[in-house]
Amino acid sequence: NAGVTQTPKFRILKIGQSMTLQCAQDMNHNYMYWYRQDPGMGLKLIYYSVGAGITDKGEVPNGYNVSRSTTEDFPLRLELAAPSQTSVYFCASSRDRGETQYFGPGTRLLVL
Amino acid sequence: RKEVEQDPGPFNVPEGATVAFNCTYSNSASQSFFWYRQDCRKEPKLLMSVYSSGNEDGRFTAQLNRASQYISLLIRDSKLSDSATYLCVVNSNSGYSTLTFGKGTMLLVSP
Repeated sequence: NAGVTQTPKFRILKIGQSMTLQCAQDMNHNYMYWYRQDPGMGLKLIYYSVGAGITDKGEVPNGYNVSRSTTEDFPLRLELAAPSQTSVYFCASSRDRGETQYFGPGTRLLVL
Repeated sequence: RKEVEQDPGPFNVPEGATVAFNCTYSNSASQSFFWYRQDCRKEPKLLMSVYSSGNEDGRFTAQLNRASQYISLLIRDSKLSDSATYLCVVNSNSGYSTLTFGKGTMLLVSP
């Protein structure tokens, strides 16, 4: 099993550009999550999904969008990149609510 | 009171030392507790779950005190490779229906 995979590993965006961060898991987990982690700070939940076709906002959803068309994939979309979105983005998955979450290796995003 | 609070550290200890971290949580209805480890510039990884009766995994011991709403992690015989940030994680029972991660406690083990 590859677990949770994320692409790209690193990206530089200009202000106003858009991009999609990809996330996939091969563990047949129902729950998937997107977090951001700023330097020296904890993880903040952006969006999560409880299954294909179902998504919901987390703590810091503004400026982001998600979709979940399959169990495996959970892409995160940034429409108009802003410097405040410079961060490390982690995707995670879990079998069920409140259970262990498994993380991908992260995407480092720099918005200039 | 923040949902999950940890001393950020860093805790500087020599190899072979015993070190303990505590974490407090605010939601008395929380049911699931974990310790994760995060290496610099890497993703968080599960270290161990925390059970009501306490549990041990090699050099690591986790304890839960529901009455006082805190969780502890004890590391015995510290190794250089234990240097990392340790995240306390609690299921939030919030509208997000997911886990709440503490900001972490940094451990630095020196030769």
